[in-house]
Amino acid sequence: GAGVSQTPSNKVTEKGKYVELRCDPISGHTALYWYRQSLGQGPEFLIYFQGTGAADDSGLPNDRFFAVRPEGSVSTLKIQRTERGDSAVYLCASSQTATGANTGELFFGEGSRLTVL
Amino acid sequence: AQSVTQLGSHVSVSEGALVLLRCNYSSSVPPYLFWYVQYPNQGLQLLLKYTSAATLVKGINGFEAEFKKSETSFHLTKPSAHMSDAAEYFCAVSDRGSGNTGKLIFGQGTTLQVKP
Repeated sequence: GAGVSQTPSNKVTEKGKYVELRCDPISGHTALYWYRQSLGQGPEFLIYFQGTGAADDSGLPNDRFFAVRPEGSVSTLKIQRTERGDSAVYLCASSQTATGANTGELFFGEGSRLTVL
Repeated sequence: AQSVTQLGSHVSVSEGALVLLRCNYSSSVPPYLFWYVQYPNQGLQLLLKYTSAATLVKGINGFEAEFKKSETSFHLTKPSAHMSDAAEYFCAVSDRGSGNTGKLIFGQGTTLQVKP
């Protein structure tokens, strides 16, 4: 597709359940970012991939959160034992720029809205 | 470490009036600065960016922003507001302090309301 695609667009789950959120970046973009946006807040950085590797996961709030990008394209954000506080919009972005040359912009998907009951 | 502060979580202007959305940054290195817009039920879209070239940056939809190092500011302006400008606006700084990864640090956002 032309843009960053995220699925599902909406996910409602119960406390304690496992959730996977998928991001399909723009073709050819090597950099991929996950952000979390809570109501009334700006996007908060979670993790950054350069190719297949997680170059910076300093934003992951705890070990219930994990993300993978096994082939350097599609990424999956995984949340175990979900809590009500995990409810937010999870945004994915991609960029062509490699580490050390980040004057480019991030292209964002429309997000996956997660609601934990 | 880099950070961004947006002054005013909600700004209301009349159609045709000047739009001014304020952003101040903190950065230990020369910053790259961005303004993004988020329309209802849409993804974040880049309005404009400053990457150490001209200090007055022009973006899409008639918006512009001026980088002022002495004031550590990057305020967003538009001479005449349109109804279609109603959206949430985010200022962001690129975290160049940790390997120049392209990671953005966002402000809290400012909701722009345009009244007819």
